[in-house]
Amino acid sequence: ETGVTQTPRHLVMGMTNKKSLKCEQHLGHNAMYWYKQSAKKPLELMFVYSLEERVENNSVPSRFSPECPNSSHLFLHLHTLQPEDSALYLCASSQDYSRGEQFFGPGTRLTVL
Amino acid sequence: KQEVTQIPAALSVPEGENLVLNCSFTDSAIYNLQWFRQDPGKGLTSLLLIQSSQREQTSGRLNASLDKSSGRSTLYIAASQPGDSATYLCAVRLNAGGTSYGKLTFGQGTILTVHP
Repeated sequence: ETGVTQTPRHLVMGMTNKKSLKCEQHLGHNAMYWYKQSAKKPLELMFVYSLEERVENNSVPSRFSPECPNSSHLFLHLHTLQPEDSALYLCASSQDYSRGEQFFGPGTRLTVL
Repeated sequence: KQEVTQIPAALSVPEGENLVLNCSFTDSAIYNLQWFRQDPGKGLTSLLLIQSSQREQTSGRLNASLDKSSGRSTLYIAASQPGDSATYLCAVRLNAGGTSYGKLTFGQGTILTVHP
């Protein structure tokens, strides 16, 4: 148990659906991250939040919308996704944005039909 | 732009062998380097973190070394076991004037299979 939980673990959605991924960390960390892991590609950073403020947005399409209501919770809102968005979405947290180990959740396996 | 390469892409060894996984990175101005393990369909488990000022870190049967000037890190696994079978990922954080960017740049991983 890493202290970072993600729900749901699996999600199948159509291209016109709206869904949200949730991440919660129980480690008292100040920074949270969303990563995307596609088949045969390295993990790609999507968003970084530090003290509930977005500090990095790596050219992610607007159909992905992050939300960080407090330092323990991070959401990724999804709408009008494409089949190529099917991937494992991983959440991570670290003590600070500028240093420290990143601890990962188990991921949400997303399939877009 | 930082690029991270891991060699080999896949490795299959008999139980009990000692093995080495390699990671190289193009920008040596790193803040730290982290090795992770990922089981199929699961998240990442942090194995070892090496700060840029360190040469190596050890945890049980695992030893990670760092040669920042040559842009290389190795993960040494002693006396491998079937339970070590997983994908091993290397990730680096860039140094930005004494602090770092939060972003980790990952390699594509080495898929390790240890057979009985």
